Amino acid sequence: GQNIDQPTEMTATEGAIVQINCTYQTSGFNGLFWYQQHAGEAPTFLSYNVLDGLEEKGRFSSFLSRSKGYSYLLLKELQMKDSASYLCAVRPYSSASKIIFGSGTRLSIRP
Amino acid sequence: DVKVTQSSRYLVKRTGEKVFLECVQDMDHENMFWYRQDPGLGLRLIYFSYDVKMKEKGDIPEGYSVSREKKERFSLILESASTNQTSMYLCASSLSRGSNQPQHFGDGTRLSIL
Repeated sequence: GQNIDQPTEMTATEGAIVQINCTYQTSGFNGLFWYQQHAGEAPTFLSYNVLDGLEEKGRFSSFLSRSKGYSYLLLKELQMKDSASYLCAVRPYSSASKIIFGSGTRLSIRP
Repeated sequence: DVKVTQSSRYLVKRTGEKVFLECVQDMDHENMFWYRQDPGLGLRLIYFSYDVKMKEKGDIPEGYSVSREKKERFSLILESASTNQTSMYLCASSLSRGSNQPQHFGDGTRLSIL
């Protein structure tokens, strides 16, 4: 089966750092995506990890451990506009572009 | 930038109606996808397509069909709408089969079935 778990909700303070975790158990693994989705809007691509380690992109970083089936998204210097849902998604098959999404983590930033 | 356009942001239909949701992408992407998004359930794949006139079932195809007559356009059809199909519908596209390129999403259609 395919299972992707992430916390339903998180709250953090403006200017702080927050880490959103994602664990997965899928029939195969060929990469993990993180998307951001503001309320009422389309998901937008944040990052893609296929090898173990940390990928940094400005205030956002994404980490992957394939052996542990684990990823996290790290957001630094939080801003109010970072209030959104963050979706973890896994691409299980190398021959296809189908991806499987977790239910998303709704992040609220307080002043 | 990739542009994925869905024909309606909001749509209200009645039980039993045949409903068409249209999606167009402008980047010559081979792959196109239809999802529905419900609170607590995340994004669930309904159907996808890797090429013109080609379609594959996703995880929840029951009650839906699709059409891809042209590369840029992917239509989702609710054959006989039911109230449990009230949802947010999202269309996405990506470059090519087997590619690790991300999916790009349209703004979504919030469909209500009365």
